[in-house]
Amino acid sequence: AAGVIQSPRHLIKEKRETATLKCYPIPRHDTVYWYQQGPGQDPQFLISFYEKMQSDKGSIPDRFSAQQFSDYHSELNMSSLELGDSALYFCASSLRAGGSNQPQHFGDGTRLSIL
Amino acid sequence: AQSVTQPDIHITVSEGASLELRCNYSYGATPYLFWYVQSPGQGLQLLLKYFSGDTLVQGIKGFEAEFKRSQSSFNLRKPSVHWSDAAEYFCAVGGTGGYNKLIFGAGTRLAVHP
Repeated sequence: AAGVIQSPRHLIKEKRETATLKCYPIPRHDTVYWYQQGPGQDPQFLISFYEKMQSDKGSIPDRFSAQQFSDYHSELNMSSLELGDSALYFCASSLRAGGSNQPQHFGDGTRLSIL
Repeated sequence: AQSVTQPDIHITVSEGASLELRCNYSYGATPYLFWYVQSPGQGLQLLLKYFSGDTLVQGIKGFEAEFKRSQSSFNLRKPSVHWSDAAEYFCAVGGTGGYNKLIFGAGTRLAVHP
């Protein structure tokens, strides 16, 4: 079965650079979530989108922005990168329409390293 | 406030032994509860979920979990552990509908001795 696809898998940037992470949800899933997992930490919710509209917002820095496109893929844009942004960034997707109680399915993540 | 507590940071068991990973939650409404497993450098794989109904839920890889509302617990169990079960296990709670953000516990790292 198709899973959540994230690209790139690994990304190395320097401080103050920008980065864009992409997420392609499972086909027919309409909701996308972004999480950040620091080294040895549990995943922390950043932001979510349902039908291309932001549906919830967590501890996402103002330097980060995200959007969901008409084909339901999502991009997380990160600017003025800091050393503390080094983490594994997960995207998850689920089906919300019709009151479906579908759990979130996660991609393999993008490992971002800031030098 | 919503929170998930996994009291055990590390657990080591022998292959073939039984396993129980503890999870306690704090949630103001009816919780939707999940267990995910993460191998090193990999994504999170859903083991099982509880939305409603039977409080004993079966998952993949021979895992099961029991929801106990009176104890605010959702412990994960497996009768016989395999070496391939070594990984990090996260308990998570979400809101009604299953489409709200997930709040994760700190995780339990499982080591399996041959």
